[in-house]
Amino acid sequence: GAGVSQSPSNKVTEKGKDVELRCDPISGHTALYWYRQRLGQGLEFLIYFQGNSAPDKSGLPSDRFSAERTGESVSTLTIQRTQQEDSAVYLCASSLGPGGNYGYTFGSGTRLTVV
Amino acid sequence: SQQGEEDPQALSIQEGENATMNCSYKTSINNLQWYRQNSGRGLVHLILIRSNEREKHSGRLRVTLDTSKKSSSLLITASRAADTASYFCATDAGANSKLTFGKGITLSVRP
Repeated sequence: GAGVSQSPSNKVTEKGKDVELRCDPISGHTALYWYRQRLGQGLEFLIYFQGNSAPDKSGLPSDRFSAERTGESVSTLTIQRTQQEDSAVYLCASSLGPGGNYGYTFGSGTRLTVV
Repeated sequence: SQQGEEDPQALSIQEGENATMNCSYKTSINNLQWYRQNSGRGLVHLILIRSNEREKHSGRLRVTLDTSKKSSSLLITASRAADTASYFCATDAGANSKLTFGKGITLSVRP
């Protein structure tokens, strides 16, 4: 597609429920990144995919968080047993290749609210 | 941990004035990038400067990089109300193939 698409744009869930966030990167972009941004804060790295592999998962905050990517395209970030501290905007970005040699193209994010 | 730290945290200027934002970082980098974010949503890539470059221009934007001081500045000339946004610097240290972002600067341009 023309840009990075994320869905849903907003999600309200009850504490303890599981949620799935989806990211459709730009076609041909081999690198895909997930970041989290709490209100008024900077971006916190979660996970990086190169193709369908995840060489860097160091930012996932707990084992409740997991992500996968298939077909070198769509990625899904899953949060199990959500907690109130998971409330944030989850941002996905893609780039032509690994590393920062190319700028990132971001989606508009999914605003997750855990009540 | 955050590599880049921007200052000031907030900046308010009059339309037509220039806005200067600074970023400092701690470790050596391959390149440094600046992004803009409107209304807490997706970030937009503005400009990338490589470690062997000292200055770069794009339209009303001018970025400088001083690797000896581990700092960068973003200058927006002749600011407009539409420039009101948060601005982030991001560094690529090359090792883990991801950008590390600072906390951002909130720029308000008064009409």
